[in-house]
This record gives sequence, structure tokens and C-alpha cells, in this order.
Amino acid sequence: GAVVSQHPSWVICKSGTSVKIECRSLDFQATTMFWYRQFPKQSLMLMATSNEGSKATYEQGVEKDKFLINHASLTLSTLTVTSAHPEDSSFYICSARDWGGSGSYNEQFFGPGTRLTVL
Amino acid sequence: GQNIDQPTEMTATEGAIVQINCTYQTSGFNGLFWYQQHAGEAPTFLSYNVLDGLEEKGRFSSFLSRSKGYSYLLLKELQMKDSASYLCAVSRAGNTPLVFGKGTRLSVIA
Repeated sequence: GAVVSQHPSWVICKSGTSVKIECRSLDFQATTMFWYRQFPKQSLMLMATSNEGSKATYEQGVEKDKFLINHASLTLSTLTVTSAHPEDSSFYICSARDWGGSGSYNEQFFGPGTRLTVL
Repeated sequence: GQNIDQPTEMTATEGAIVQINCTYQTSGFNGLFWYQQHAGEAPTFLSYNVLDGLEEKGRFSSFLSRSKGYSYLLLKELQMKDSASYLCAVSRAGNTPLVFGKGTRLSVIA
């Protein structure tokens, strides 16, 4: 199947700083990537849909000025958590579909996730 | 709106069979996925159903009834490593993101 990578896998930062998370599709091109957030013992919550070359589409309740998304190329999307606070501590996961066909179905392939801890 | 329901937690014994149910009501339907997620890790693909019926893949099987908005994941010969969360997710038309249920935390005990 297709491979999606994320970097960093974990990060600890001070309150008020900004953190950038990268998501890359390694062996396929992704015009669209999805960013999810997951709190402990809860399910995946979609934050936004990242579109290559255009603005991201944010889900209701997600602050677009706080969670900046840039999809600069067909293989890279970044999520920047600006002025992070302890309540932003969570597991952030990106996902993409390989419309070129390496997936068996129209499944979404997930990155390994980034665990953010804000002190 | 979108609504996907599955039990929050289940416990089963090693070697047994367990069935995890999922009901859904979504605007648009283009298939249903089951994912497995271990704590602190990303979800991994288990199965996909778009037509009614049972899909079998080794110890795991998945069933779909589109008319009833219902699916289940069947795990046979349970092993301790099967302890994980199991996520039901619905695919809608086009390149829209999967809609996930809250997940079922399965604990396999000896």
C-alpha cells in the first residue's frame, strides 16, 4: 500500500510557541490530504482538508488562524499549531488517498502520527 | 448529518470469537471501512465493504447491510495482540474524508 510519513513523531514545546508538523506522501501524489486530531481514548476528529495549491477547508469549530495548513506540493502538507497551549496537546494524524491506484480501494492511508505535548 | 455508532468497549477471551457492530446514517455512501488502532499508533486498514454481504480475510471478517445501515467486524481465534481500538468509518462520494465512529476498545483477556 501507499506510504504516508509524518515528522516529527513527537514534540514537546512551551506554551505560546508554534509547532510545525509535516506530512508527506512518499510514493504517490496526493492532491488532498486530511488532518485529524485524537485525544486520549477518543476517536479521530477531522480538523481540516488540505488541498494542493488552494486554501484548506476547516471543520466547524476548528480555528483556521490557529491551525495553519499549507499544501505546497503534491507530496507535502504542513500543519502549524500557532501559539500552542496545553489544551492543544494531542495526537495529530494526517491521511491521504492514492488515487493513482496503489491502494486496493479508495482507502485512506494514515501517517504514523505526531504526539504534541505543550507544557 | 453524519452519525456512526459502535459500542465503546468490549471484552473477550483469548481464543474466542467477538463481533463488533456498527450502525451508520450518512449523507452519501461509498463503502464502509474497518480500521485497527493500537494505543499511540495510527490506524491500519482491516477491511472494506461496498456491497451487501460478508468479506472474509483470515481471522477477520466484515459484513455489510446497506439497507439496514449496519456492519459488523468479526474476529475469530482471538489473540492478546488483538487488544486495540476498532474504528468503523464510512466513505462518501468523491474525495471527501472518511467519517469515523468513536471506536470500540477491545480487551482480550486470558
